[in-house]
Amino acid sequence: EIVMTQSPATVSVSPGERATLSCRASQSVRTDLAWYQQKPGQAPTLLIYGASTRATGVPARFSGSGSGTEFTLTISTLQSEDFAVYYCQQYSNWPPITFGQGTRLEIK
Amino acid sequence: EVQLVESGGGLVQPGGSLRLSCAASGFNSFKYAMGWVRQAPGKGLQWVSSISASGLSTYYIDSVKGRFTISRDNSKSTLFLQMNSLRADDTAIYYCARAAGDMITLGGILTFWGQGTLVTVSS
Repeated sequence: EIVMTQSPATVSVSPGERATLSCRASQSVRTDLAWYQQKPGQAPTLLIYGASTRATGVPARFSGSGSGTEFTLTISTLQSEDFAVYYCQQYSNWPPITFGQGTRLEIK
Repeated sequence: EVQLVESGGGLVQPGGSLRLSCAASGFNSFKYAMGWVRQAPGKGLQWVSSISASGLSTYYIDSVKGRFTISRDNSKSTLFLQMNSLRADDTAIYYCARAAGDMITLGGILTFWGQGTLVTVSS
């Protein structure tokens, strides 16, 4: 099973600033990596797949990068609606599909 | 518009059974793999099971193998999860999700999610 580890667990950023979230895989997942956003009381939504491809309707301020075992989700110019929990997920070698434990992005 | 609506959750005693359903609309269900992901209270996301577009291939996380069965009825655009021998650690919101395509790589990209149904296992 591929273990996904996200850091930090919580990050505090001011609106208008940039946020950088990290995700590490226990073995290479190539670029078979997705990012999801989950707001309180809501279902997750797909943000990024293929490590760097934005899903339909996702604003350009969201960008993903990385390959192999190291990945980054960057949110430039944070908006109030971006404060949420973010999960990375690998689909390179499944089953099982595995998620990171999540990073909570909170307002500073 | 893609819509996924789960139902069938509730309170059940340990050892009991529940059958979750997910009604899909807005797409041809026979073209996409689908799956279930759960989230225990205050915890992260955990993939539970997936099924190929045809229904012929199924996959499970180890902790539910032999207890849960995923199935689908493409004629009714409905996904199911039969859960038997339920345990307290199965307590979670269960989300139905549609993949980006069929197995293998596209089947792992969970493009659309339902709002979830809560399963509580307690005496």
